[in-house]
Amino acid sequence: DAGVTQSPTHLIKTRGQQVTLRCSPKSGHDTVSWYQQALGQGPQFIFQYYEEEERQRGNFPDRFSGHQFPNYSSELNVNALLLGDSALYLCASNFETANSPLHFGNGTRLTVT
Amino acid sequence: RKEVEQDPGPFNVPEGATVAFNCTYSNSASQSFFWYRQDCRKEPKLLMSVYSSGNEDGRFTAQLNRASQYISLLIRDSKLSDSATYLCVVRYSGGYQKVTFGTGTKLQVIP
Repeated sequence: DAGVTQSPTHLIKTRGQQVTLRCSPKSGHDTVSWYQQALGQGPQFIFQYYEEEERQRGNFPDRFSGHQFPNYSSELNVNALLLGDSALYLCASNFETANSPLHFGNGTRLTVT
Repeated sequence: RKEVEQDPGPFNVPEGATVAFNCTYSNSASQSFFWYRQDCRKEPKLLMSVYSSGNEDGRFTAQLNRASQYISLLIRDSKLSDSATYLCVVRYSGGYQKVTFGTGTKLQVIP
């Protein structure tokens, strides 16, 4: 039973560039959420996808966008990268039902120079 | 006030000690509660869900107090391997069940 998988594991980009991060949810899960975690902080909610639609969004600018595919996998895109975008980006999946806990992937560590 | 608040610690405790963490939440519409464990530079991993009647899993006990809007995690007989950051997670009812994380409490178990 495959868990949540994310790619790539590490990424180094230059300020102003664009990046795409990928996530495959745990088998059977239909909901994917993305989080940004800066060093020493808890994960901050970016957005959530269900049935290929963004249905919740955290306090992140429009530079952050995403997509969910029919197979429930998801992408996170960040445009016009800033130094402050350097963080661990976590993808989590769960069932779209009450009390279903989030299962996280290993994360993508993004460094913007 | 933050939606979910935790004492960041660090809590430095000797092996074998009992340690407790609290987490307060501000939204009374909160529905589900969880504790996650996160090791340095790793992803959070589910430690346990928190049920209204309280629940236990080995050395770990979770409690929920809806009246005072807090949850707690008790770790008995601490092991060196328990050293990690413990994240409190609150899931709200209504409108797509928003999930909010606390900033985490760091535990260091000392030999």
